Amino acid sequence: DIQMTQSPSSLSAFVGDRVTITCRASQNIGSCLNWYQQKPGKAPKLFIQGARNLQSEVPSRFDGSGSGTDFTLTISSLQPDDIATYYCQQCYTAPLTFGGGTKVEIK
Amino acid sequence: DVQLVEAGGGLGKPGGSLRLSCAASGFSFTNTWMNWVRQAPGKGLEWVGRIFSKTSGGTTEYAAPVKGRFTISRDDSRTTLYLQMNRLESEDTGVYYCAFGSNAYDSSDFDRWGQGAQVTVSS
Repeated sequence: DIQMTQSPSSLSAFVGDRVTITCRASQNIGSCLNWYQQKPGKAPKLFIQGARNLQSEVPSRFDGSGSGTDFTLTISSLQPDDIATYYCQQCYTAPLTFGGGTKVEIK
Repeated sequence: DVQLVEAGGGLGKPGGSLRLSCAASGFSFTNTWMNWVRQAPGKGLEWVGRIFSKTSGGTTEYAAPVKGRFTISRDDSRTTLYLQMNRLESEDTGVYYCAFGSNAYDSSDFDRWGQGAQVTVSS
């Protein structure tokens, strides 16, 4: 099975800060990497598909990059509405696997 | 509009059984590979398994923790997805979501989710 390792598990930053979340796959998954945002009590929302493709209605301050085994989700200027937990997920092969999540909070 | 509505959650005993359903509408359910994803309390997301469309063979695939205990099925005439959960364990407690990706029939990019069904396993 492909293991997905996210870091950090949580972070706290000021409004306006640049925030970076990393996700590492245990083997090469090409660009088959998705990012989800989940707010408490809600279903996850697909934010970035194929490592770098922002879904419609996702603010342009979000950016995804990477390929192979190392991937990054960047928020260029953290906003209060970005408070959530973010998960990466490999779509390369079953069993599909998620990272452990990164909880983003405001300082 | 796409709708996925889970039902059938509740309290189950260790070693017991529960069945979840996911009523789908607003898209071509027959041609779509469907998934179950769960989330234990305060924990991350875990893919449970999926079922291919009948035209893709109707194959099912499962995560290791549920393989041999859970069965995913579909009734295309009712556009409903099912998750039969047998030999329940306390670790099966959580919210269960049905989900699929709308960008392709076999997509693993889950942009459509149900609201979730709570399953609690306790004696």
